Amino acid sequence: GQQLNQSPQSMFIQEGEDVSMNCTSSSIFNTWLWYKQDPGEGPVLLIALYKAGELTSNGRLTAQFGITRKDSFLNISASIPSDVGIYFCAGLAGANNLFFGTGTRLTVIP
Amino acid sequence: DTAVSQTPKYLVTQMGNDKSIKCEQNLGHDTMYWYKQDSKKFLKIMFSYNNKELIINETVPNRFSPKSPDKAHLNLHINSLELGDSAVYFCASRRTNQETQYFGPGTRLLVL
Repeated sequence: GQQLNQSPQSMFIQEGEDVSMNCTSSSIFNTWLWYKQDPGEGPVLLIALYKAGELTSNGRLTAQFGITRKDSFLNISASIPSDVGIYFCAGLAGANNLFFGTGTRLTVIP
Repeated sequence: DTAVSQTPKYLVTQMGNDKSIKCEQNLGHDTMYWYKQDSKKFLKIMFSYNNKELIINETVPNRFSPKSPDKAHLNLHINSLELGDSAVYFCASRRTNQETQYFGPGTRLLVL
């Protein structure tokens, strides 16, 4: 099946710092999604990307859909303590098959 | 006003037992899913289901069976539970023609 690798696996940053994480795939996807999972909760959609090269922002979050359609990155600017959680990229194959990345665990130190 | 809800939140049971996990969505969505998240937090789709079609991930053992009494519910029945079934199971739903899947809070299953 599709393999989506995220890096880094985990990050420890100071509050106020910017964060960058990326996701690479062995397959092409037509839609890329970024989710955040808080402890004890289900994943929540942050940003959806539909076109190669697309750059989309949602508040302090910015994500890009790679030109090759095999990668995506997520940036978080001016991190705050509530940004703590696990960030997952996901590639959508067809209408139903959502393949998740390995996750990036973010810790923000106040 | 919960969108996607699951019960129970925690389930501890013995090997060999049969158990069900329930999922309900009040979003009017017509496609529902079950995912499994292992101890390394890796999320993998198990099933997708709408009124017309059940799509099963080929790696899912046939001890797992989804049951949908109506469009708003998709329950997961597991027979003969094994230690390796211990995981967090997430239900999700979406509306046709929209990519966004909305996830439930998860059911933490521990098989002893």
